[in-house]
Parts: sequence; C-alpha cells; structure tokens
Amino acid sequence: QKEVEQDPGPLSVPEGAIVSLNCTYSNSAFQYFMWYRQYSRKGPELLMYTYSSGNKEDGRFTAQVDKSSKYISLFIRDSQPSDSATYLCAMSAVGANSKLTFGKGITLSVRP
Amino acid sequence: EAGVAQSPRYKIIEKRQSVAFWCNPISGHATLYWYQQILGQGPKLLIQFQNNGVVDDSQLPKDRFSAERLKGVDSTLKIQPAKLEDSAVYLCASSGAGNTEAFFGQGTRLTVV
Repeated sequence: QKEVEQDPGPLSVPEGAIVSLNCTYSNSAFQYFMWYRQYSRKGPELLMYTYSSGNKEDGRFTAQVDKSSKYISLFIRDSQPSDSATYLCAMSAVGANSKLTFGKGITLSVRP
Repeated sequence: EAGVAQSPRYKIIEKRQSVAFWCNPISGHATLYWYQQILGQGPKLLIQFQNNGVVDDSQLPKDRFSAERLKGVDSTLKIQPAKLEDSAVYLCASSGAGNTEAFFGQGTRLTVV
C-alpha cells in the first residue's frame, strides 16, 4: 500500500459545478496536509495548507482533514475554467527532517 | 519575495551523456528539496537538504545521480550517465522554519534520447 493514495482521474465537470478531490493515507504520523495546483508545464503551486484535523476555507476552496479516517478532501465551489489543472495532495509529519510525500495527482478539466 | 529559481528550463541530451541542474531557493529557507516528476505521476523526492547537510537521499539513484548544496544556499543536481528513463521534470523546492509549506520552482524538463 502506498503512503498516499489519490483518487484516479481525469475529472471533467461543467463550469459552476462543485468539485470534490480526495486522498487517503496510511502513515498516522502525518500532521501537515497540503493541496498543490499544477498547471501544464509549471511547478506545483501551494493552494491550501492545514495542520492536523479540521476544515480550512479560502475563497472558493475548502480543505478538510479527517485524521481518524486518514482521509483528506479539497472542495472547489463554483468551479471555473481557470481551475483546470492537476491537483496534488501532499503531507508530512512533524519535525525538521520530515519529508513531503505526494499523491499521484488528479487532472481536473472545467468545461465552459 | 523572489521565488525558487531553476535553470535551465529545458534540456535535451543523448543517453550516457551528463547533465546538471541548478536551483536557487527562497532567501532564508533552510530546507531544499529535489523532486523527480515523471509524466502523469506525482513528484518523487530524490534528496532533501537541511542547510548544507543531507536529510534524506533514500530514493536517489546514487550510482548516477549526485547533488550538493553549496554553503547552504544554491544547489546542483547532476546525472551521469543519463538513461532514457531519466526523462522527467526535475523540481526544486524550498521551505522555511518548521518544514511545512514547500514552494516550488518552475522545474527543468529533461528529455533523454
């Protein structure tokens, strides 16, 4: 079992739809949870960052972490064509030497 | 605040040749990472530096890959000799105190022919 599993894609939705992206993980030491957005031929860009369990909202984006289920989600409300990108979940444990482990990524396409 | 700088952006080499990538992290960031991202996959950590010391290089193919971080700032990643399966995007990232949020450069797209 991989440390981080991400729902396979690709995913195509109409403009205005609510999008749900999910990852599961196996390492109970993970405490920091991140979502990155990666446009074609660009480096990943940090989108959301959460410590431990709970929700975090930033505009149209909401990140949820459920540590009891080892499950994290990213919700995108009122999706726009500009949201079309690859979304990567990433997580790490606490400590200066902890490494950031990524999911495989899911490609989202928002149709006008 | 300037971001993570990487060069070159693109490189095409023949197999068995050598290649080097350069990274300049965000000023003041102690942690520097090199990731390999093969098309359709998430980034895979190759090596992680804390200042100029190696924290994790467990997934670095040491028979052909090497990396150094000069004076705890800039870093270079070298491949010698390159193989076809090394074709990928090489991403450099850095993070500050606490090693939480990592910020990425644009990456170097390597094609080995």
